[in-house]
Formats: sequence, C-alpha cells, structure tokens
Amino acid sequence: GAGVSQTPSNKVTEKGKYVELRCDPISGHTALYWYRQSLGQGPEFLIYFQGTGAADDSGLPNDRFFAVRPEGSVSTLKIQRTERGDSAVYLCASSGRASGANVLTFGAGSRLTVL
Amino acid sequence: DQQVKQNSPSLSVQEGRISILNCDYTNSMFDYFLWYKKYPAEGPTFLISISSIKDKNEDGRFTVFLNKSAKHLSLHIVPSQPGDSAVYFCAASTGNQFYFGTGTSLTVIP
Repeated sequence: GAGVSQTPSNKVTEKGKYVELRCDPISGHTALYWYRQSLGQGPEFLIYFQGTGAADDSGLPNDRFFAVRPEGSVSTLKIQRTERGDSAVYLCASSGRASGANVLTFGAGSRLTVL
Repeated sequence: DQQVKQNSPSLSVQEGRISILNCDYTNSMFDYFLWYKKYPAEGPTFLISISSIKDKNEDGRFTVFLNKSAKHLSLHIVPSQPGDSAVYFCAASTGNQFYFGTGTSLTVIP
C-alpha cells in the first residue's frame, strides 16, 4: 500500500482481555517497528523487526506483550491479560531512506483503552 | 533515562514570525537527528533530518541546526503558518534505533 495501515483505529476492552493490533507496512520495507505513545509523551520503542525476525524486543514492557511478523510483511502486536496501564496509542512504523537518513514512516496508530 | 529531551511542552507564535523548537540529547553516538510533526488522530510524519556530520539542513521554510558540542538541535520555521500548528517531536537515531522526545505543541496564531 501507499502508507502504513493500522487496524483497528480504536479498541476498547476490559481489564484481563486479550487484544491484537495489526500493522500493514509500506510495500518493500523490510524493517518494521512498534511504538507506544501515552498522553503527553513521545513514542516509546517496543520492538523492531528486520524481515520475519525480531531484531530487538528490548522495549516490550513484560511477557504479556509479544509481536509476530510471520511472512515479513504484516505484523501483529498481541497483548494478553490487558491492564488499565496498557491504555495508549500503539504506533507502527516501517523504515526507508530519505537523504541518507533511515526514516520511520508511521501509521495513524491504534488507540487502546482498557477499562 | 530520557536520551532526547524537549523541555518546552508548548510554544505560541504569531503567523509570519519565526518558530524555534529546541531539543537536547545525551548520547554522542547518534548519527542522525530527525523532526516529526503530528496532527491529532494521525501518526507522526517525517519533516526534516540532519546528519551528525552537518550543522545545518534547510528544506523550504524549515531549517534544522545542530550544535554537537552542546548536544543541542533546533528547528526553525519561517514564516510560520497556521497550518504548522501541531506537535513536533525531535528524534535521534543510531543504526536502527530511534529515540523520541516528549514533543512541543506549536500554535501559530493567525
């Protein structure tokens, strides 16, 4: 596609439920990132994929969070036993080059609200 | 441990005047610095970048200045337009790692 697509745009769930957030990156971008943005904060790194493998998952806050990218394109961020503190906007980005810099192109985000 | 800091949460500027957004960083190993602009309900969009070996990069109304000795960069927007009203994030990268500041909300008053 022309840009990074994220679904759902909004998700409201109850504490303890399981949630999946999907990201469809720019076609041909091999690198894919997940970030989390809380109110008044900047994007906080969660995980980075190069192709199908997670090259860096050091930002995942705990073992309730994991992400997959089985075919090297679409990625799914999965959150188990959601907690109210998980409420945030989850941003996906894929990367390409612009003027020599490695540049992230973000999707519009998935706003997760845990009640 | 915030590696990229934006100490001004908000800034208001009159239309036509210059907007200056500031950013400080701590890691001297960063090789690129980037500015992103974010409108409500949208993801951040890339605006302009600068390599750590440069001290200035200009693109139309937008200029980024880098002062490596002070570990400081700034984004200048001139002339400012109402459509520039948004949250601006400073980011720094090393390899495939990106670190973001907390953002500065710019309001350009018509």
